Amino acid sequence: GAVVSQHPSWVICKSGTSVKIECRSLDFQATTMFWYRQFPKQSLMLMATSNEGSKATYEQGVEKDKFLINHASLTLSTLTVTSAHPEDSSFYICSARDRLASSYEQYFGPGTRLTVT
Amino acid sequence: AQSVAQPEDQVNVAEGNPLTVKCTYSVSGNPYLFWYVQYPNRGLQFLLKYITGDNLVKGSYGFEAEFNKSQTSFHLKKPSALVSDSALYFCAVRDPYNFNKFYFGSGTKLNVKP
Repeated sequence: GAVVSQHPSWVICKSGTSVKIECRSLDFQATTMFWYRQFPKQSLMLMATSNEGSKATYEQGVEKDKFLINHASLTLSTLTVTSAHPEDSSFYICSARDRLASSYEQYFGPGTRLTVT
Repeated sequence: AQSVAQPEDQVNVAEGNPLTVKCTYSVSGNPYLFWYVQYPNRGLQFLLKYITGDNLVKGSYGFEAEFNKSQTSFHLKKPSALVSDSALYFCAVRDPYNFNKFYFGSGTKLNVKP
């Protein structure tokens, strides 16, 4: 149980284009999902908290107009990197909280590697 | 501010030997501590957590961690390492005032040699 998937697992795009990454909770409902960014050999940095049916909460320093987050259902959140640039190349990981669980444990997806050329 | 530190970028151990991956924390309030493992190009997998209670926490794949309040540490241990344990390990602390927010350490790469 508690499986989170991400699609695509790997994407290459040209500079200036937009890329959408999906995060799905497969066997539970998630009112809250989280988007992290991980640079090579570095830790995870929380970018934003995605709440179903409302606006995402962005961490300080994260451009909300560049990293668009939509959490339209209890099982799906999307992150769109708009007008991507090479410096946006990174490993993006989502996680989700089971709305029925009393703990605040987060279940992580397998990650999406974005390369902007 | 909440934070965790993993002082070692890399730990090397021979298969069959005990392993320790170090983590120290700084948190206001009660610490909620976690260990995660990450295999190459994969997301994080939960290993174990400390919320309250016994200082020795047992987790997945034979791992355990010891909570030490006086030393503000939460070291990850395993009595006998396997080659398949080779991966990146992250210690994390949950913000006691915002349970949705985790602070991750910089990660420690564990290399287990046959």
